[in-house]
Amino acid sequence: EDQVTQSPEALRLQEGESSSLNCSYTVSGLRGLFWYRQDPGKGPEFLFTLYSAGEEKEKERLKATLTKKESFLHITAPKPEDSATYLCAVQARGSSYKLIFGSGTRLLVRP
Amino acid sequence: NAGVTQTPKFQVLKTGQSMTLQCAQDMNHNSMYWYRQDPGMGLRLIYYSASEGTTDKGEVPNGYNVSRLNKREFSLRLESAAPSQTSVYFCASSEAVSEQFFGPGTRLTVL
Repeated sequence: EDQVTQSPEALRLQEGESSSLNCSYTVSGLRGLFWYRQDPGKGPEFLFTLYSAGEEKEKERLKATLTKKESFLHITAPKPEDSATYLCAVQARGSSYKLIFGSGTRLLVRP
Repeated sequence: NAGVTQTPKFQVLKTGQSMTLQCAQDMNHNSMYWYRQDPGMGLRLIYYSASEGTTDKGEVPNGYNVSRLNKREFSLRLESAAPSQTSVYFCASSEAVSEQFFGPGTRLTVL
């Protein structure tokens, strides 16, 4: 069964304190792994897509990496505006484009 | 471009009442999706439409029906609402294997 597990459930950081979020996945043939950001009361906002092990993508203070079993979202020198829930999702080959989501990591960055 | 729009934003129903959630996208995407989001459970796929004229069940389809009205619009209907359907509902769209774009959500409470 395809499955996505995110850790930690919640993370509190001081402004400028770098850290990483983890997304472990089990899927029968990975087509793509997606990272989203979700602010309270809003829909998920797309951040990155990773397709193969070793691939990396960067956007401002965020960097996503992918291995055969997990993905990391590295946050460098975070700011309070980076506070949000970060969601990871996988798309399996032959799945008709369906996404399987993890339950997310709630990030709070204190000034 | 408005992206993905959903109506209504909030709704309160009594058990047994029916309602339809509306979704429209202006990105000319072929695929559209309905998810529900519950605390601690992540986003779960209810139904999806890979292309105009087709619909398929997702992970949690019981108690729901969908209609792909045209390429732009995809509606979700609750025929007889139950308290277990209290949730936040998100519509999304995508072009084949690419990232999905989400609407702002509908917050539904069933009393």
